[in-house]
Amino acid sequence: QLVESGGGVVQPGGSLRLSCATSGFVFSSFYMHWVRQAPGKGLEWVAFIRYDGTNKYYADSVRGRFTISRDNSKNSLYLQMNGLRPDDTAVYYCAKDFAGGYRVFDSWGQGTLVTVSS
Amino acid sequence: EIVMTQSPVTLSVSPGERATLSCRASQSVSSNLAWYQHKPGQAPRLLIYGASIRATGIPARFSGSGSGTEFTLTISILQSEDFAVYYCQQFDDWPLTFGGGTKVEIK
Repeated sequence: QLVESGGGVVQPGGSLRLSCATSGFVFSSFYMHWVRQAPGKGLEWVAFIRYDGTNKYYADSVRGRFTISRDNSKNSLYLQMNGLRPDDTAVYYCAKDFAGGYRVFDSWGQGTLVTVSS
Repeated sequence: EIVMTQSPVTLSVSPGERATLSCRASQSVSSNLAWYQHKPGQAPRLLIYGASIRATGIPARFSGSGSGTEFTLTISILQSEDFAVYYCQQFDDWPLTFGGGTKVEIK
């Protein structure tokens, strides 16, 4: 199970930290991702982190502003979002990596809504 | 960045009929392609990975095919619970990218 939290309304230029609490699997053994969906738009992959946190990838649209991290002792995934812009408004999902060399998402949370507006 | 293009944008189908959805990659992604189903207010659901491998618990009426740049998702006999938006996603290279989606609606 994946449960996101931390969404809300923030002004442009502001910051927000999303959290994803996980259970039901060995969190420390799996890569994890953040994926988002802007209102009326499709899915957009945002960020990836290796099981041990040593490797991370980001979408061009968020690189330099967002930081993905994890705490394996707390079975939790995080997304620190700085310099937020109106086009960052979206439902943010945390997603578990399928593993086995397949960078696909086999389990998703219900999402948390981030609204960037003045 | 690999651009994924899905067609059609909307597909109107009657229950019991077959639905065929297409996904094209801007460059070869080999068989590194997945399909998801997404219903409003719900989490997306992984249907197919490796272009043609059904995920755990996915009914046999869902099938995927293709390799390289052209892929197809077929729903053989549409059931009421299959009306949703479907996305393809490539995982051949970073950044991971999705297609724009195909909405399968009731005709």
